[in-house]
Amino acid sequence: DAGVIQSPRHEVTEMGQEVTLRCKPISGHNSLFWYRQTMMRGLELLIYFNNNVPIDDSGMPEDRFSAKMPNASFSTLKIQPSEPRDSAVYFCASSLVLGKTGTQYFGPGTRLLVL
Amino acid sequence: DQQVKQNSPSLSVQEGRISILNCDYTNSMFDYFLWYKKYPAEGPTFLISISSIKDKNEDGRFTVFLNKSAKHLSLHIVPSQPGDSAVYFCAASEGAQKLVFGQGTRLTINP
Repeated sequence: DAGVIQSPRHEVTEMGQEVTLRCKPISGHNSLFWYRQTMMRGLELLIYFNNNVPIDDSGMPEDRFSAKMPNASFSTLKIQPSEPRDSAVYFCASSLVLGKTGTQYFGPGTRLLVL
Repeated sequence: DQQVKQNSPSLSVQEGRISILNCDYTNSMFDYFLWYKKYPAEGPTFLISISSIKDKNEDGRFTVFLNKSAKHLSLHIVPSQPGDSAVYFCAASEGAQKLVFGQGTRLTINP
């Protein structure tokens, strides 16, 4: 399997622009997670889905952020409008949750810079 | 409030010796703990996990110890190898879904 795939790997945009990050989870996995890593806050969970349904979005910083999972093989994280403080590395992870356990496997991340 | 803390930002160990990375947590509801390893420009890679019903889990050169009364876990790597140089994150959760990560410890293995 190719692992979790994220695109783009790097994104540079100007403040106020819309940014869309994409993720393809590992085939067969039933949970998908979006994380953000910054120097100040470390690696923090933004939102996660089980069977394409958003379960917990309490980590989403504000209404400018939204995430969707239209099917089991694709998810997007959108920032509109973007701000310089959104600059970070955004990771997508997926897992196969059976009962209460499921190891999360991470993609390579998207490095976002908002000017 | 940091629920998972890695108090050592960095650690330097000689090749062949034991590396010990430490992690403390505050939430007594956490029942699943993991260690991830991260190289630059890559995503975190799963290393080893332990559930709260155990106090030790071993996988090759990696062993994780859990002390629930002290709310402390540690990762032992023995023997340490140059390829182990990376940033190590501990993470904790209730039920393996909503992971809370520590700030990471940068491990450097010196030849």
